[in-house]
Amino acid sequence: GQQLNQSPQSMFIQEGEDVSMNCTSSSIFNTWLWYKQDPGEGPVLLIALYKAGELTSNGRLTAQFGITRKDSFLNISASIPSDVGIYFCAGRTVGGATNKLIFGTGTLLAVQP
Amino acid sequence: DAGVTQSPTHLIKTRGQHVTLRCSPISGHKSVSWYQQVLGQGPQFIFQYYEKEERGRGNFPDRFSARQFPNYSSELNVNALLLGDSALYLCASSLGAGGVPGELFFGEGSRLTVL
Repeated sequence: GQQLNQSPQSMFIQEGEDVSMNCTSSSIFNTWLWYKQDPGEGPVLLIALYKAGELTSNGRLTAQFGITRKDSFLNISASIPSDVGIYFCAGRTVGGATNKLIFGTGTLLAVQP
Repeated sequence: DAGVTQSPTHLIKTRGQHVTLRCSPISGHKSVSWYQQVLGQGPQFIFQYYEKEERGRGNFPDRFSARQFPNYSSELNVNALLLGDSALYLCASSLGAGGVPGELFFGEGSRLTVL
């Protein structure tokens, strides 16, 4: 199935460092979402973006909806051990009445105390 | 407030068998979507139901079917199971059928292993 290009595939950082990951698509999206998934659990919504150029923060997390509507990035500042997990971007295409999200390939984040 | 609840959490089946997975959405949410997540990949869209009608279908064979009940809960059925059907099956609920606001909230999933 279709998946978005998400990079990096994995990151191993020290506690306190900042993290940046991004997601690109060949299609235009009208919504970008960022999720975090812990092992054995479902994805948890972190940030939702609805307009091109939109910059939204949620605590130490900041995400932006790219101007071209084909990309998005997520930044995590001052990482802590509980930030460990897999981060997924997801996009919703223009038009249609479905909640069909196309997910990225995921970024595995490991934080060393 | 209860989130999205799914059952069973884990199950093991053999090839050729049939499985039924169940989902209860967040109270007040009228749309349920099903996703399949194979180990090491992002979730893949299977179905969306809104107000008991199918609103979207992903690229899955006809062995996969679903329905939504008047109380907005949903079932996903998979017939003639294959080894490749082994995955985490996620249910997600949303307030409406799409658009703003249309964020999906996921349950913890049902882990299916096919032997």
